[in-house]
Amino acid sequence: KQEVTQIPAALSVPEGENLVLNCSFTDSAIYNLQWFRQDPGKGLTSLLLIQSSQREQTSGRLNASLDKSSGRSTLYIAASQPGDSATYLCATLSSGSARQLTFGSGTQLTVLP
Amino acid sequence: DTGVSQNPRHKITKRGQNVTFRCDPISEHNRLYWYRQTLGQGPEFLTYFQNEAQLEKSRLLSDRFSAERPKGSFSTLEIQRTEQGDSAMYLCASSLVDDEQYFGPGTRLTVT
Repeated sequence: KQEVTQIPAALSVPEGENLVLNCSFTDSAIYNLQWFRQDPGKGLTSLLLIQSSQREQTSGRLNASLDKSSGRSTLYIAASQPGDSATYLCATLSSGSARQLTFGSGTQLTVLP
Repeated sequence: DTGVSQNPRHKITKRGQNVTFRCDPISEHNRLYWYRQTLGQGPEFLTYFQNEAQLEKSRLLSDRFSAERPKGSFSTLEIQRTEQGDSAMYLCASSLVDDEQYFGPGTRLTVT
């Protein structure tokens, strides 16, 4: 059974800082990995999707990397802004017959002005 | 707006009552997923459909839960005889096969 872990659970940084969020997973047989953002009481917004054959994806100030063999992904946020404050979730899609996303518990990010 | 929509956004019900939620996916998406999220946790998979066929159900989906997607378009999730432990955010997502999943705003259920 896939297990996804995100460390740290919470992070507080001053505005303008570059930061890295970590995600690890136990089963490397994944089809893809997605990073999401969730604002309090809201649904999930997809940020980046990395296919299992890819090593990274970039969108604006966000860069996500994937090392499938070691079961790790990182989300890099450059020049953080207060509007980046949210919970960031990573999720893996199994490459087996069970087509479901398995989520970590998230990292709650606060960017201080 | 062509995103995933869910109704209602909030539902308060008394223990023992039945509730039904609706999800309208992105129109060209053939897969539809239901997840449940409790406070401080990531979403947990409940079930998914490919077109009108329900292909997988989680062990979390007790026999009080039933989901349908009658014409391969919108889906409903019904909870019978609600319990306080059913209080959670119910999230719907849709995708093309094995592609990026797009989530709706969720339905927050409170069972009193």
